[in-house]
Amino acid sequence: AQKVTQAQTEISVVEKEDVTLDCVYETRDTTYYLFWYKQPPSGELVFLIRRNSFDEQNEISGRYSWNFQKSTSSFNFTITASQVVDSAVYFCAMVSGGSYIPTFGRGTSLIVHP
Amino acid sequence: DTAVSQTPKYLVTQMGNDKSIKCEQNLGHDTMYWYKQDSKKFLKIMFSYNNKELIINETVPNRFSPKSPDKAHLNLHINSLELGDSAVYFCASSQEGLARGGTQYFGPGTRLLVL
Repeated sequence: AQKVTQAQTEISVVEKEDVTLDCVYETRDTTYYLFWYKQPPSGELVFLIRRNSFDEQNEISGRYSWNFQKSTSSFNFTITASQVVDSAVYFCAMVSGGSYIPTFGRGTSLIVHP
Repeated sequence: DTAVSQTPKYLVTQMGNDKSIKCEQNLGHDTMYWYKQDSKKFLKIMFSYNNKELIINETVPNRFSPKSPDKAHLNLHINSLELGDSAVYFCASSQEGLARGGTQYFGPGTRLLVL
């Protein structure tokens, strides 16, 4: 069975703070894919990143970075120098190679105060 | 240019009615999906079509019927609407299927309210 846990329901920070959103996953498959999506207050779902289980390299994209660690089954997302526009619900998701069914975490609501 | 579009954006209707939501993608993707997001923001896949063929039907009531006239369109028809159907419905598409880790691109969502 697949499971994605985002233990942080809500995080509140002040602008310019760094913030890390945690994602822990469970699967018995050796091939799997991990994703992060952003859902701003306007409601759309925006793709941020995709990682496959064979690529443990960390990724940096501007102020965003992702830390994939198979040893702890985690795929954490860090925003550096947060901005008000980063306020959104962030979803971590997984699809195992043996399944067609994606599993989404419950989401972490990030509130960035000016 | 809108990549994945849905109409309508908002839908308010009475219990028992039948309604449809349309989805179109201009990305040239082979696979399309319908998701339901409930009031607690939980996202769950409902259906997946690959090149007009049903791939996933995730224990959705028979009142929900997807229709794919071509690979760029995946419509969702809902019969006999119930209060519990109130949610946001997202359409998505991907070039590769989920089993190969296809990246899904989502439409803006349709907010359905059943009174």
